Amino acid sequence: GAVVSQHPSWVICKSGTSVKIECRSLDFQATTMFWYRQFPKQSLMLMATSNEGSKATYEQGVEKDKFLINHASLTLSTLTVTSAHPEDSSFYICSAVKSTTQYFGPGTRLTVL
Amino acid sequence: EDQVTQSPEALRLQEGESSSLNCSYTVSGLRGLFWYRQDPGKGPEFLFTLYSAGEEKEKERLKATLTKKESFLHITAPKPEDSATYLCAVQGSAGNMLTFGGGTRLMVKP
Repeated sequence: GAVVSQHPSWVICKSGTSVKIECRSLDFQATTMFWYRQFPKQSLMLMATSNEGSKATYEQGVEKDKFLINHASLTLSTLTVTSAHPEDSSFYICSAVKSTTQYFGPGTRLTVL
Repeated sequence: EDQVTQSPEALRLQEGESSSLNCSYTVSGLRGLFWYRQDPGKGPEFLFTLYSAGEEKEKERLKATLTKKESFLHITAPKPEDSATYLCAVQGSAGNMLTFGGGTRLMVKP
């Protein structure tokens, strides 16, 4: 199997606070994980590539100081949304690579009030 | 730049009415073409990987095929539980990154 979990599944926070989302590969090790965000009725938008033990690679237009990514172990990557604002409200999904296939987590719904 | 286009955007079928979803792509050095299923409010679920033209894979009522320019996801005698958004993605020469299409939202009515 290839199971990926995310925590929390949903979070509501106040504007200006920071939120951390965890992505774990439960039954395999993943050197590479990806972070996406998805708006309603749209496809996935890649935010960044997370490689274990090195700095994340961010896609054009994604603020690296706002979306902090840490991949400290082969089974865990975290995404921290710093100083969140209402426009950061979205569905955040991670994936972990096993062989060459990306397996996705269940997603985290972030709502910023 | 890799590109993926899926059609139709939405498809309504009656239960038992077979049909096909299309995924057209351009990619520099195809390493794999992936199909995922996504239910509302959930992450994509892996279905198939196709690696070379002529390859076919099946799973229950789904069959995926691949040519050099497009892939089809054939759905035979669909059931309401097959209702979901189906995503196609290609993996080119740039590592494990995927380029996704916009998806096809399938609705199967009983």
